[in-house]
Amino acid sequence: GQSLEQPSEVTAVEGAIVQINCTYQTSGFYGLSWYQQHDGGAPTFLSYNALDGLEETGRFSSFLSRSDSYGYLLLQELQMKDSASYFCAVRDPDSWGKLQFGAGTQVVVTP
Amino acid sequence: DGGITQSPKYLFRKEGQNVTLSCEQNLNHDAMYWYRQDPGQGLRLIYYSQIVNDFQKGDIAEGYSVSREKKESFPLTVTSAQKNPTAFYLCASSASAGGHEQYFGPGTRLTVT
Repeated sequence: GQSLEQPSEVTAVEGAIVQINCTYQTSGFYGLSWYQQHDGGAPTFLSYNALDGLEETGRFSSFLSRSDSYGYLLLQELQMKDSASYFCAVRDPDSWGKLQFGAGTQVVVTP
Repeated sequence: DGGITQSPKYLFRKEGQNVTLSCEQNLNHDAMYWYRQDPGQGLRLIYYSQIVNDFQKGDIAEGYSVSREKKESFPLTVTSAQKNPTAFYLCASSASAGGHEQYFGPGTRLTVT
C-alpha cells in the first residue's frame, strides 16, 4: 500500500513563505500531486511532479526528491486567500485509477 | 462552461433510507471517482470508474453502490447498510484513469439522522 505524511497545520502571517512537506511510502512511484481545498469547497489541482526538482507556478512551487521519497509545496508572498487545506497525493501502483491522498495540511494566514 | 455538477448541495435523510447523489460531467472525461471526506480529514475513495459500464471498489466501498451507464454520469447510492453515512461527498473526473489531474465537483453534504 501507500502512506503519506504531512503536517496537520501551519500558521503564518501575510507576506510570509510557507513550506508544506510531504513524505510518502509506496511500492511504485508515478508522481506527486498537490491539491488546494478551501473550507467547504472542492479540491482544486495545483501541481504535479514526476521528476526530481522544482516546478514553479506563480507564487506556488512544488519540489520532489524521489531518492528521499519527499516533496514539498512552497507558498510565497502569502495572502489571506491562501488560507486553505493542502493535500499531497500519489498514484496507487496496484490500481492505476486510484489516487491516495494525504490527510491534509491546514494553512492559516494571519494579518 | 465545462465542469462537474453535483446535486443537491445539502441533503438530509432519515436513518434506514437509501439516498442517491448525482454527479454529471461535461468534460468528456473517461474516468470518474467518488470520495468521502470527514471533518478535518483527507479524501477517501469509495468507487471509481475508468470507462462506461465498468467500475471498481475503492478503499471504503461497503454500504455504497454506483452505476456508470453513461460517460457523463456517475451516481452514488448511499444504502442503509452504510453505518456512518453523514459526510461530505465529492465527485471527480479525469481525462483518463492514469491522469494525475482530477477535477472535482462542489460536493454534497449528506446528513443522516
